[in-house]
Amino acid sequence: GESVGLHLPTLSVQEGDNSIINCAYSNSASDYFIWYKQESGKGPQFIIDIRSNMDKRQGQRVTVLLNKTVKHLSLQIAATQPGDSAVYFCAENYSGNTPLVFGKGTRLSVIA
Amino acid sequence: DAGVIQSPRHEVTEMGQEVTLRCKPISGHDYLFWYRQTMMRGLELLIYFNNNVPIDDSGMPEDRFSAKMPNASFSTLKIQPSEPRDSAVYFCASSDPRGAGETQYFGPGTRLLVL
Repeated sequence: GESVGLHLPTLSVQEGDNSIINCAYSNSASDYFIWYKQESGKGPQFIIDIRSNMDKRQGQRVTVLLNKTVKHLSLQIAATQPGDSAVYFCAENYSGNTPLVFGKGTRLSVIA
Repeated sequence: DAGVIQSPRHEVTEMGQEVTLRCKPISGHDYLFWYRQTMMRGLELLIYFNNNVPIDDSGMPEDRFSAKMPNASFSTLKIQPSEPRDSAVYFCASSDPRGAGETQYFGPGTRLLVL
């Protein structure tokens, strides 16, 4: 029979537009958050991180926003390019000395 | 820095054979993590080490899986005997001494196919 895999949310964006990828995290005690990008055939790559004492952090073409009230994290990519096509994972550090907990991922498809 | 190094990059084997995956973490990183990624289950943490000592192996699927870290620059994940359902991409990651919850840096993965 046909195998059923994880159904990843997919975001399709026109090249040049801005992208917003969202993540709802689970633990209100989490104090550190990371966004990873995974391109086809590669391992997850660190993009940007943010600690809970901040609500916004900017990198090159990327911005992470943290809303602790509603436990929401977002990644904004400016002027999306074909090379941005990938699966994006958010990860949170629950608290203390425990490993990161990864979300299921969102697939970003850039339409040229 | 060369980043996390994994070998082999691809492995095709027959059911019942022993498979050994290898990882070299980033120099100076005290934490090493082994993950498995499949379409069905996503990214799963199998085991992690701190200073070469296994800390949590609760994610290891069954006794057929074992992992070792004989020194700070080398770890292995062994499957014996392998089964078709072990087919997946296996990633190794490392993080620095600040803690297990800090940024992890991933290797390129080993794509395993068990026939």
